[in-house]
Amino acid sequence: GAVVSQHPSWVICKSGTSVKIECRSLDFQATTMFWYRQFPKQSLMLMATSNEGSKATYEQGVEKDKFLINHASLTLSTLTVTSAHPEDSSFYICSARASRWTEAFFGQGTRLTVV
Amino acid sequence: DAKTTQPTSMDCAEGRAANLPCNHSTISGNEYVYWYRQIHSQGPQYIIHGLKNNETNEMASLIITEDRKSSTLILPHATLRDTAVYYCIVRVAETSYDKVIFGPGTSLSVIP
Repeated sequence: GAVVSQHPSWVICKSGTSVKIECRSLDFQATTMFWYRQFPKQSLMLMATSNEGSKATYEQGVEKDKFLINHASLTLSTLTVTSAHPEDSSFYICSARASRWTEAFFGQGTRLTVV
Repeated sequence: DAKTTQPTSMDCAEGRAANLPCNHSTISGNEYVYWYRQIHSQGPQYIIHGLKNNETNEMASLIITEDRKSSTLILPHATLRDTAVYYCIVRVAETSYDKVIFGPGTSLSVIP
């Protein structure tokens, strides 16, 4: 299957700082990327959908000013957690799809810990 | 997207077939059944999908009932590395921005 890579795999940051997570499609061009968040022992929760060159669509209850998503190219999407707080500590996972006709592939996830 | 129900957890002996059931009684005619799995602390992995015919690939088999209201994912010879949470999802495969929405899934433990 296609490869989706996230960076970093884990990050620790201080409360009040911002952290950026990258999601790259390594061997295909991703027209659509999805961002999920997963708390311990819970399922994945979809945060937002982004299409290259346009604004992301956020799920209900997700603060778009706190979770900034940029999908500036067909191989890269970034999620920036602004002014992070301990409750933002979670496992963040991205998913990318080449087109609506193809399956979406998932990154390995990024473990964010805010101290 | 239609909802699915799966058992919370299951055990399977190593080397045996693991049969994971999924109910999707409100599935629509144009919705596919997808299976993913998530090994601890990793991103989800696509396993298989189907519409109404049974499907098989190198990882698993998918059996869909004739009325399409339920399905079973079969791992023919489970290994310890198959221990994971398995998600059954129904969705329309050919919409512009279709999303993969995850339910609680089934936690499969493969026991030596």
